[in-house]
Amino acid sequence: AQSVTQLGSHVSVSEGALVLLRCNYSSSVPPYLFWYVQYPNQGLQLLLKYTSAATLVKGINGFEAEFKKSETSFHLTKPSAHMSDAAEYFCAVNGGSNFGNEKLTFGTGTRLTIIP
Amino acid sequence: KAGVTQTPRYLIKTRGQQVTLSCSPISGHRSVSWYQQTPGQGLQFLFEYFSETQRNKGNFPGRFSGRQFSNSRSEMNVSTLELGDSALYLCASLPGTGSLGTQYFGPGTRLLVL
Repeated sequence: AQSVTQLGSHVSVSEGALVLLRCNYSSSVPPYLFWYVQYPNQGLQLLLKYTSAATLVKGINGFEAEFKKSETSFHLTKPSAHMSDAAEYFCAVNGGSNFGNEKLTFGTGTRLTIIP
Repeated sequence: KAGVTQTPRYLIKTRGQQVTLSCSPISGHRSVSWYQQTPGQGLQFLFEYFSETQRNKGNFPGRFSGRQFSNSRSEMNVSTLELGDSALYLCASLPGTGSLGTQYFGPGTRLLVL
């Protein structure tokens, strides 16, 4: 069974500082990994995804993530935080190439606060 | 393309009642998944429908059910509502094949059970 663990339920960074949100995965098959963002009172928006094509994945809004198999990690980063980045971020995993298993398993989320 | 739409956006019910939520996926998408989001349990998978058939099911009691119509629209039903069913219910759609697992989420239906 696949699972993800997000370290840190709350992260605060100053505007302009590096954003680093941590995600570690556990999977018995090569996983597909995702980062989603949720703004207050909204649904989930896809930031980026890893599907084994490239280990460094670039997403929207300046975010990127690097898949590290040796560390079973898929941390999300952004070089310079902006006030509009304040939101909750979720890491998720699914069955990958195990077609037909479209269930997403989510981490517990990290609430990102930007300090002016 | 229009995104995933969910109706209603907000709903208030009392314990013991039943409720039906609706989801219209992105045009051309054949798979619809449902998730429940609560502060205590986080995001949990309810079920997934593909071409009118339930393909995957999460660990929820039988009070939670769903269906999908031939136009890919989906409904989920919760019978005999309990206070703990208060949650944001999210629907996601994906093409069903060749999408590399990317799910596109709707804005959700926020259900409050009193």
